[in-house]
Amino acid sequence: DAKTTQPPSMDCAEGRAANLPCNHSTISGNEYVYWYRQIHSQGPQYIIHGLKNNETNEMASLIITEDRKSSTLILPHATLRDTAVYYCIVRRLQGAQKLVFGQGTRLTINP
Amino acid sequence: EAGVTQFPSHSVIEKGQTVTLRCDPISGHDNLYWYRRVMGKEIKFLLHFVKESKQDESGMPNNRFLAERTGGTYSTLKVQPAELEDSGVYFCASSQQVSPLHFGNGTRLTVT
Repeated sequence: DAKTTQPPSMDCAEGRAANLPCNHSTISGNEYVYWYRQIHSQGPQYIIHGLKNNETNEMASLIITEDRKSSTLILPHATLRDTAVYYCIVRRLQGAQKLVFGQGTRLTINP
Repeated sequence: EAGVTQFPSHSVIEKGQTVTLRCDPISGHDNLYWYRRVMGKEIKFLLHFVKESKQDESGMPNNRFLAERTGGTYSTLKVQPAELEDSGVYFCASSQQVSPLHFGNGTRLTVT
């Protein structure tokens, strides 16, 4: 699976949009971009995933560049409860492949 | 629907003892995964079941760890004998075919 690169930490003010970047320059054509987060003492929580089109759900939006080498997760109106470690993961769907976690980005939402 | 359930939530055992962790996946999910996070490290994959078969066990650290999924429903992960370095949080996840993985809240294992 392709590796991803994320900043180790970010801060965002409550109520503002949080934009979390991820680089995945070696992504293959059959690999999806997944985002998970882990809030302290809980299990990783699925947020969103996409192949090449931008995606939006009730939690977030995912913007994937046209060359697919990078993406941005957007939390439109961050709240204190969004403080967590966010993981960008590239995953092949064939064979229900495992997720490979990196260090992630520690996002802190400040009041 | 009920989520992935793990038992116990916490376990404290002495070095050399045996511990068995249990995971109940979401009903109907054929894929079941075990992960663990040791202190200060990344979340690491241990193994992947498809129904009762081990699809990928490349992450199992050594033969002190034994995972089973008899009948393709719940799974157990036994550590025997436990060592100090086995301390950490053990997560279970399940998925249906190629859907996203859904994780439980983990079992925090402390070996003293």
